[in-house]
Amino acid sequence: KQEVTQIPAALSVPEGENLVLNCSFTDSAIYNLQWFRQDPGKGLTSLLLIQSSQREQTSGRLNASLDKSSGRSTLYIAASQPGDSATYLCAVRRGRDDKIIFGKGTRLHILP
Amino acid sequence: SAVISQKPSRDICQRGTSLTIQCQVDSQVTMMFWYRQQPGQSLTLIATANQGSEATYESGFVIDKFPISRPNLTFSTLTVSNMSPEDSSIYLCSVLSWGRNTEAFFGQGTRLTVV
Repeated sequence: KQEVTQIPAALSVPEGENLVLNCSFTDSAIYNLQWFRQDPGKGLTSLLLIQSSQREQTSGRLNASLDKSSGRSTLYIAASQPGDSATYLCAVRRGRDDKIIFGKGTRLHILP
Repeated sequence: SAVISQKPSRDICQRGTSLTIQCQVDSQVTMMFWYRQQPGQSLTLIATANQGSEATYESGFVIDKFPISRPNLTFSTLTVSNMSPEDSSIYLCSVLSWGRNTEAFFGQGTRLTVV
């Protein structure tokens, strides 16, 4: 059974710092991995999608890496801003039309 | 990408009543899913909404409590039946896009409070 773990559960950093959020999964047989952002009481916004054959994806100040063999992914946020404050969720899918398994998220707070 | 409209965005309901949540997608999608997010928790899959047939429910969720419809490739409903305060959660509709990368998209969620 696939399990997704995110560390840390919560993180507070001063504005401007670079930071790394970690995600690990127990079954390396994944189709893809996706990072989402969730603002309080809201839905999920897709940030980055990494296919199983890819090593990383970049979008603006965000960079996500994937090491499938070790069951790990990281989300790197450069030059953090207060607007980055949200919960970040990592999710993996086993097959193309399969369900997504979520981690519990990292609650990020960027201090002005 | 897919744009998902979910209604209502929030509601406060009396225990014992039922609420139907609607999910409308701006394009045809292969897969539609319904998730629940209890306060302070991550997302838990309730069921996969199958077009033209009964939904596929995850362990711990049953059709009598969470009936789902999916009459076509762009629309689905989830009903939360005979509600109790424990059903207070955010309910989210999710779709998988067509295409090679099969990205998942989510609606903005329905925040349900049962009193």
